[in-house]
Amino acid sequence: EAQVTQNPRYLITVTGKKLTVTCSQNMNHEYMSWYRQDPGLGLRQIYYSMNVEVTDKGDVPEGYKVSRKEKRNFPLILESPSPNQTSLYFCASSLSTVGGLSPLHFGNGTRLTVT
Amino acid sequence: GENVEQHPSTLSVQEGDSAVIKCTYSDSASNYFPWYKQELGKRPQLIIDIRSNVGEKKDQRIAVTLNKTAKHFSLHITETQPEDSAVYFCAASLISNFGNEKLTFGTGTRLTIIP
Repeated sequence: EAQVTQNPRYLITVTGKKLTVTCSQNMNHEYMSWYRQDPGLGLRQIYYSMNVEVTDKGDVPEGYKVSRKEKRNFPLILESPSPNQTSLYFCASSLSTVGGLSPLHFGNGTRLTVT
Repeated sequence: GENVEQHPSTLSVQEGDSAVIKCTYSDSASNYFPWYKQELGKRPQLIIDIRSNVGEKKDQRIAVTLNKTAKHFSLHITETQPEDSAVYFCAASLISNFGNEKLTFGTGTRLTIIP
């Protein structure tokens, strides 16, 4: 089944404790992206990747890191989480056709709470 | 960068009536405009999209219109049903000066269908 898999689904952690949220897709998509969803703010892009070893900042990259060593994986790293990073996070991927993005396929989301 | 504004933030309609959600974008170079539906506790999923060379697109009860001159696009849902209750996000895709494609989302509209 074609899908985007992110783990964990729920995560509670404390300020300053490094964490990684994994994301994997099995559709051979070139484009992958991370979003955070907060009430009243919609989906804001954190980082995105057009292909392996190519990453770029989105609208809210501060406090986050990503890597794209393989086409299928795009982990999100919080080196020193803070309470303002408490949010619902979505990973997404697409084929990234020329002339406009092909439809995004989202993972199930990770609800992160930082205390 | 691109800025997408979405209105209204909440919308309640009687079952069977029509619903309209409107979005405006800032950069005339944007060329791809998808709409995503997010049911409670689930991931966003694409319901319809339109490219800048098309003025209108329909899929059963759902239609999207695009006015490039005014830089706005709208989602129209006719004969609404209870299962249409969800949060709807519009988005606009822009190719940057570096050749990267970036998708910017609106802040979402919570649609409630009243039985």
